[in-house]
Amino acid sequence: QKEVEQNSGPLSVPEGAIASLNCTYSDRGSQSFFWYRQYSGKSPELIMFIYSNGDKEDGRFTAQLNKASQYVSLLIRDSQPSDSATYLCAVIVDSNYQLIWGAGTKLIIKP
Amino acid sequence: NAGVTQTPKFQVLKTGQSMTLQCAQDMNHNSMYWYRQDPGMGLRLIYYSASEGTTDKGEVPNGYNVSRLNKREFSLRLESAAPSQTSVYFCASSEVGGGNTIYFGEGSWLTVV
Repeated sequence: QKEVEQNSGPLSVPEGAIASLNCTYSDRGSQSFFWYRQYSGKSPELIMFIYSNGDKEDGRFTAQLNKASQYVSLLIRDSQPSDSATYLCAVIVDSNYQLIWGAGTKLIIKP
Repeated sequence: NAGVTQTPKFQVLKTGQSMTLQCAQDMNHNSMYWYRQDPGMGLRLIYYSASEGTTDKGEVPNGYNVSRLNKREFSLRLESAAPSQTSVYFCASSEVGGGNTIYFGEGSWLTVV
């Protein structure tokens, strides 16, 4: 069973601090990793993706990938109340390029 | 630009009734998907269509059927609804396969009583 695991939270972070979200995956063959944000009652939207080991930065967001340890993380700097949402990790695990999704981590940014 | 449009947004069904969820995308994407999302379980793939004329089962296909009517439209049918099919359903599309950004519709909230 190929799995993607996330802590369901909620993760509570003060406004202006760094929020750190983690995701682990079971398939060592996984090649592509995605972070989506989902506001309550809305559909998921892509924040960023990462393919290579190391860090990838996009504005206030940084994705970190460690294939040896099979985890991918998302850092949100200068957290804002508008960042309060559920963050979904998704991983491509097979040749059909279908995504396996984590259950998501609920993030709450406290003003 | 409408993106991915799915209807209806809300529906209440009685056990045993049938219904079809409609989905259309205007981004000229080849691949389309139907997911369901349940609390604490994340998104689970029901069916997908890698290209016009093809459909394949996903992780949880039982109780559902799909039709890729043309490149734009991908419908999901519940032949005999069961309470276990109460969920939020998302249609999505992407250029080719899951390796490209997947764009989601707004979701359809289905309750089976």
